[in-house]
Amino acid sequence: EAQVTQNPRYLITVTGKKLTVTCSQNMNHEYMSWYRQDPGLGLRQIYYSMNVEVTDKGDVPEGYKVSRKEKRNFPLILESPSPNQTSLYFCASSLFGGRPYEQYFGPGTRLTVT
Amino acid sequence: KQEVTQIPAALSVPEGENLVLNCSFTDSAIYNLQWFRQDPGKGLTSLLLIQSSQREQTSGRLNASLDKSSGRSTLYIAASQPGDSATYLCAVFASGTYKYIFGTGTRLKVLA
Repeated sequence: EAQVTQNPRYLITVTGKKLTVTCSQNMNHEYMSWYRQDPGLGLRQIYYSMNVEVTDKGDVPEGYKVSRKEKRNFPLILESPSPNQTSLYFCASSLFGGRPYEQYFGPGTRLTVT
Repeated sequence: KQEVTQIPAALSVPEGENLVLNCSFTDSAIYNLQWFRQDPGKGLTSLLLIQSSQREQTSGRLNASLDKSSGRSTLYIAASQPGDSATYLCAVFASGTYKYIFGTGTRLKVLA
């Protein structure tokens, strides 16, 4: 089954404790992306990657890191989480053969930083 | 900077009505526009994708149109059902920046 998976689905952590949220897709998609969703602000893009070893900042990259060492995986790293990073996080992927195609989303990761 | 707006923020209609959701964007330089559905506490489900060269796409009771020159897209839902109750989001893929910009959504409630 074609899908985007994220782990963990729920995470409660404390300020300053490094964490990684994993994202994996099995559709051989070039483009992968991370979003956060906050009430009243909608979905905002954090980072995106157009292929292996190619990443770039979205609109809200501060406090986050990403890497794309393999085509299927795109982990999101919070080196020193703070309470303002409490949010619902989504990973997404799509084909990108010269132009973008339909985005597929993972189920989301609800992160709480205390 | 590209901005995407969805009006109204919330909508409540009786079952069976045809309805239109609106999405407007400020910069016509886009690759595509995609409509999504999101159920409470869930992920996003893609409904329709319109490439920049297209004017509309249809899937079942859904029809989405795109007018790049005016910066507008509409999602038409025919014969609405209670199961259509969800938040509907539109997103544009901005040319040149390779970024997706989302609207804040329209929360739809269809009353039985």
